[in-house]
Amino acid sequence: DQQVKQNSPSLSVQEGRISILNCDYTNSMFDYFLWYKKYPAEGPTFLISISSIKDKNEDGRFTVFLNKSAKHLSLHIVPSQPGDSAVYFCAASAGGTSYGKLTFGQGTILTVHP
Amino acid sequence: DGGITQSPKYLFRKEGQNVTLSCEQNLNHDAMYWYRQDPGQGLRLIYYSQIVNDFQKGDIAEGYSVSREKKESFPLTVTSAQKNPTAFYLCASSMNTGANVLTFGAGSRLTVL
Repeated sequence: DQQVKQNSPSLSVQEGRISILNCDYTNSMFDYFLWYKKYPAEGPTFLISISSIKDKNEDGRFTVFLNKSAKHLSLHIVPSQPGDSAVYFCAASAGGTSYGKLTFGQGTILTVHP
Repeated sequence: DGGITQSPKYLFRKEGQNVTLSCEQNLNHDAMYWYRQDPGQGLRLIYYSQIVNDFQKGDIAEGYSVSREKKESFPLTVTSAQKNPTAFYLCASSMNTGANVLTFGAGSRLTVL
């Protein structure tokens, strides 16, 4: 039972354009969502997060949008840079005693072409 | 610099052998976690520990064991009972059980020959 899904295995964009990565979830108990970036043979690094009480959170070139009614979140990267090329995972937490226990999606490979 | 150190980075094991992956953190984090990553799949939680001398099973604990004798250390043993142990293993930590942001180590790749 995949509670967090990233249906696009890969995404290719041109440098300077917008990258939009999508994530869907099924568990209505999830109340905190995170995006992680991962390079090959390295551990994931935290990128940005959003609480379920918000619908948008920005940090520089990165913005995460949350649509609770649709159980959907997205990560926007504007403008995209070649260094953004990596695997992006969305993750969710159910709060309470589940803090820190993250459920991850399958990941989306982003390639930004110069 | 504070961080999480995982060793070894690469490990080869023969079938039937147990192997222990090391995870050490100097972030003074209370909670530690082990995740497994397989190609095309998300990270899956194996075990986690919120305090010293206590740990809980995650979603895929069968064939694995852990200990938490010190706050800084959370080793993972992959036993011969684990049917498909070849994978990339990631250790993580967080400030306390109220924190959702995990800091990850660089990972250990285990290959069973």
